[in-house]
Amino acid sequence: QKEVEQNSGPLSVPEGAIASLNCTYSDRGSQSFFWYRQYSGKSPELIMSIYSNGDKEDGRFTAQLNKASQYVSLLIRDSQPSDSATYLCAVNIYTGGFKTIFGAGTRLFVKA
Amino acid sequence: DAGVTQSPTHLIKTRGQQVTLRCSPKSGHDTVSWYQQALGQGPQFIFQYYEEEERQRGNFPDRFSGHQFPNYSSELNVNALLLGDSALYLCASSLRDTYEQYFGPGTRLTVT
Repeated sequence: QKEVEQNSGPLSVPEGAIASLNCTYSDRGSQSFFWYRQYSGKSPELIMSIYSNGDKEDGRFTAQLNKASQYVSLLIRDSQPSDSATYLCAVNIYTGGFKTIFGAGTRLFVKA
Repeated sequence: DAGVTQSPTHLIKTRGQQVTLRCSPKSGHDTVSWYQQALGQGPQFIFQYYEEEERQRGNFPDRFSGHQFPNYSSELNVNALLLGDSALYLCASSLRDTYEQYFGPGTRLTVT
């Protein structure tokens, strides 16, 4: 079982729709969760962090965390073509210090 | 506010050679982590440095080594290069005891 799993996609949504991206993780002790956006040929860009169960909203982005189900999601409202990118889920695993484990990413296409 | 910088941008090496990649963290950050990202995959954690010591290490062989300098900048060294070492190498910086990491633009290494 991979430590962080994401559907590779591609996920295709029309402009203006809600894009829903999902991630599961295996380490129950994980405490920190992140979503990064990576455009083709560029480096990852941090867009959301979440540490507690529930929802966290930032503009058009909402991160949702359910530690009991070991599940993290990212909702993008009013999707725009500029949101087309790969979205990486990342989880911190504590092993005496923390290291960050990334999923393989979900490719999102927003159709104009 | 200077972000994370990396050099060089691109590099071509031959199998068996050695390479050194460099990273300067975001202003105010003291922790540097290195990642390897193969095409179509998420970043893989190599190691993390703070206080000039390697604090955490991922599943990479000893051919991968690093260093952190008193000004928090860091180097990644890879010896005896293999074709499979061809990848995008990413440096991320953070402030110790916080978990949000910011990535540099990366170094694209090609081993022929």
